[in-house]
Amino acid sequence: EPEVTQTPSHQVTQMGQEVILRCVPISNHLYFYWYRQILGQKVEFLVSFYNNEISEKSEIFDDQFSVERPDGSNFTLKIRSTKLEDSAMYFCAEQQGAGTDTQYFGPGTRLTVL
Amino acid sequence: QKEVEQNSGPLSVPEGAIASLNCTYSDRVSQSFFWYRQYSGKSPELIMSIYSNGDKEDGRFTAQLNKASQYVSLLIRDSQPSDSATYLCAVGAGSYQLTFGKGTKLSVIP
Repeated sequence: EPEVTQTPSHQVTQMGQEVILRCVPISNHLYFYWYRQILGQKVEFLVSFYNNEISEKSEIFDDQFSVERPDGSNFTLKIRSTKLEDSAMYFCAEQQGAGTDTQYFGPGTRLTVL
Repeated sequence: QKEVEQNSGPLSVPEGAIASLNCTYSDRVSQSFFWYRQYSGKSPELIMSIYSNGDKEDGRFTAQLNKASQYVSLLIRDSQPSDSATYLCAVGAGSYQLTFGKGTKLSVIP
């Protein structure tokens, strides 16, 4: 199974600060996703990204969130002004093609907002 | 609103027994179905995918899908203590996102 990597593994920040979470994709994968999982809760979809554009986003993905692929390789999730309730595990996921292909999850970044 | 429901458990089975995990989903147009395993503090790891009605076997794992009943299950034969984890059911409906259930916690007792 291909490996998706994410950095940092753990990020601690103060409320109101900006954070950037990074995902290093597998080279031939086309579709990228961010999910989050609040402790003890289910994995929730945030956003999907294809061809340098957002394909879909959930109601969670409000104006505080943004995604980009700034250098054509790393895929980033930015939270502009963090809130306490943003504390969660954030997972990057990728798939090679559309439709019924498998999504591979990265190891996640644990975000703690104080 | 797409919903994926799972019993939260915990489901306890003795080592060597069959563990049966169930999942129902609300969106009738769902097309792809996945079982992920998640150890505490780790990311979801794909166990099985299934797209057509019936059974699909992979080693000790069998996924079963019944689209008419909107039901998908995972059987784990010869359960091992290392199978102890939370099992997540995820459903795709032709769009890009997956909708996850809350997961069933499985405990295999040696």
